[in-house]
Amino acid sequence: GAVVSQHPSRVICKSGTSVKIECRSLDFQATTMFWYRQFPKQSLMLMATSNEGSKATYEQGVEKDKFLINHASLTLSTLTVTSAHPEDSSFYICSATPEPEAFFGQGTRLTVV
Amino acid sequence: GNSVTQMEGPVTLSEEAFLTINCTYTATGYPSLFWYVQYPGEGLQLLLKATKADDKGSNKGFEATYRKETTSFHLEKGSVQVSDSAVYFCALSPNSGNTPLVFGKGTRLSVIA
Repeated sequence: GAVVSQHPSRVICKSGTSVKIECRSLDFQATTMFWYRQFPKQSLMLMATSNEGSKATYEQGVEKDKFLINHASLTLSTLTVTSAHPEDSSFYICSATPEPEAFFGQGTRLTVV
Repeated sequence: GNSVTQMEGPVTLSEEAFLTINCTYTATGYPSLFWYVQYPGEGLQLLLKATKADDKGSNKGFEATYRKETTSFHLEKGSVQVSDSAVYFCALSPNSGNTPLVFGKGTRLSVIA
């Protein structure tokens, strides 16, 4: 199946700093990628749809100025958590759907201290 | 709209027990159905899929049959192992281009020796 690579897998940052998470499609081109957030012991919450060459589409309640998404190429989407605070600590996962099923990155555990 | 409902966990089984995790869906049109598995600290991995009615997806001893008449896609395994301990997500794809999957809330399975 298709491979989606997400980096870093873990990051700890200080409150007020920004963190960038990368999501790459390794063996296919992805015009669209999806970013999810997962709270402990809960399901995935869709945050936004990342569109290559255009603005991301954010789900209701997701602050677009806090969660900046850039999809500058057909194989790379980035999520930047700006001015991170402890409440932004979470597990973030990206995915792409080159086929009917979705392929997921390994996830990024963000801890803001 | 599209939605997925799966049985809530956690589910705790002894090794070699029979597993069933129920999943029902609501969808317009003809969705594809999936089961994903998430091991601790990792992203989601596709476990199995079915793209049309009466299809049976199978992988690693797990099976699920796409039942249009009951709008169900129950996950089963005849003999679980400790290594099957994980969170299982039922999901559907509307099959309408680059759209995100719709997920159930997940079921945590713990298998004890």
